[in-house]
Amino acid sequence: DGGITQSPKYLFRKEGQNVTLSCEQNLNHDAMYWYRQDPGQGLRLIYYSQIVNDFQKGDIAEGYSVSREKKESFPLTVTSAQKNPTAFYLCASSSRTGTAYGYTFGSGTRLTVV
Amino acid sequence: GQNIDQPTEMTATEGAIVQINCTYQTSGFNGLFWYQQHAGEAPTFLSYNVLDGLEEKGRFSSFLSRSKGYSYLLLKELQMKDSASYLCAVGSNYQLIWGAGTKLIIKP
Repeated sequence: DGGITQSPKYLFRKEGQNVTLSCEQNLNHDAMYWYRQDPGQGLRLIYYSQIVNDFQKGDIAEGYSVSREKKESFPLTVTSAQKNPTAFYLCASSSRTGTAYGYTFGSGTRLTVV
Repeated sequence: GQNIDQPTEMTATEGAIVQINCTYQTSGFNGLFWYQQHAGEAPTFLSYNVLDGLEEKGRFSSFLSRSKGYSYLLLKELQMKDSASYLCAVGSNYQLIWGAGTKLIIKP
């Protein structure tokens, strides 16, 4: 079955450490997105990519980096520059860059700073 | 700016009907989505409205008025498993703009 796989489900980061969250999809979707969700808040866009080898900053890109070397993969790196990284991270994809098609989400990664 | 408003929390009784409202102001409009999100899980698609009117899908219905920038999600015959957050999102240009979500608490 097609879908989006995020790993790991839980991740612990030490202060000053970079960590990478994985997102893989086999839906043949062109567009992929990374969101951050904090308790009681909506989804905030970190980065998005419409095609391979291209990506754009979202509303809260500072302290994060991404790559899109393959259509199926869109990993997110949380760098040490992100001062408050503890959150629930969601990866999503859509079949068109236009928004009439909705998003399919991965199961999420919960990142905690220890 | 772009803004989507929905109530923070609502409480309803098992077997009853509840209506969750969403108002929006966005620079573009490619449709309005409702998603359900259980605690600690990813959002799942419920409904999509692009034209004015009511879309019915089983126990769930969604209404849209583009002139008023307004939508609602209607849940009938509430079940305990409907306890979740309900997210309203508007398609605007290249992305979906999300509301903060409405936490729905179902009481026996």
